[in-house]
Amino acid sequence: QKEVEQNSGPLSVPEGAIASLNCTYSDRGSQSFFWYRQYSGKSPELIMSIYSNGDKEDGRFTAQLNKASQYVSLLIRDSQPSDSATYLCAFSISGGYNKLIFGAGTRLAVHP
Amino acid sequence: GAVVSQHPSWVICKSGTSVKIECRSLDFQATTMFWYRQFPKQSLMLMATSNEGSKATYEQGVEKDKFLINHASLTLSTLTVTSAHPEDSSFYICSASTGTGGEQYFGPGTRLTVT
Repeated sequence: QKEVEQNSGPLSVPEGAIASLNCTYSDRGSQSFFWYRQYSGKSPELIMSIYSNGDKEDGRFTAQLNKASQYVSLLIRDSQPSDSATYLCAFSISGGYNKLIFGAGTRLAVHP
Repeated sequence: GAVVSQHPSWVICKSGTSVKIECRSLDFQATTMFWYRQFPKQSLMLMATSNEGSKATYEQGVEKDKFLINHASLTLSTLTVTSAHPEDSSFYICSASTGTGGEQYFGPGTRLTVT
């Protein structure tokens, strides 16, 4: 069974702080990893993709991938109340028509 | 870029009727489209994967005769919920993939209420 594990939260951080979201996955053959943000009542929105070990930065977001440890994380710098949402980690199944396996999500709450 | 639309955004129907939901990729050709369902405060559940011109692949436990999927072109997939019942009330979301990189881009979702 291919799985993604995420802490459900809520993760509460003060405005301006760094939020750190973590995820582990089960498919060693997976090559593609994604972070989606989902606001309550809305559909998921892709915010980061990462394919190689190491860090990838995009604005206030940094994704980190460690394939040996089967671990991917998302750092949000200078967190804003508008970042309050559920963050879904996903990986693509090797050889699976780009099918993604999603975690249940971590709820982030940024308080002023 | 990578915009996916869904129509309708919400629909209310009576038990026993059928509802069709459209999913379109507006600015790219989608080799594969996916249909998900999400109940309140629960995670996304993949229902089926569809490739243009071929039959959809359904996930275990999803009734293919109840949830009819048609992927007629590289920009359009439809999901028809047949003989809907109140337990089918949910948030249905489609996504589309270009096939490169594996990213999926989600439509805004359709909220279905069956009375």
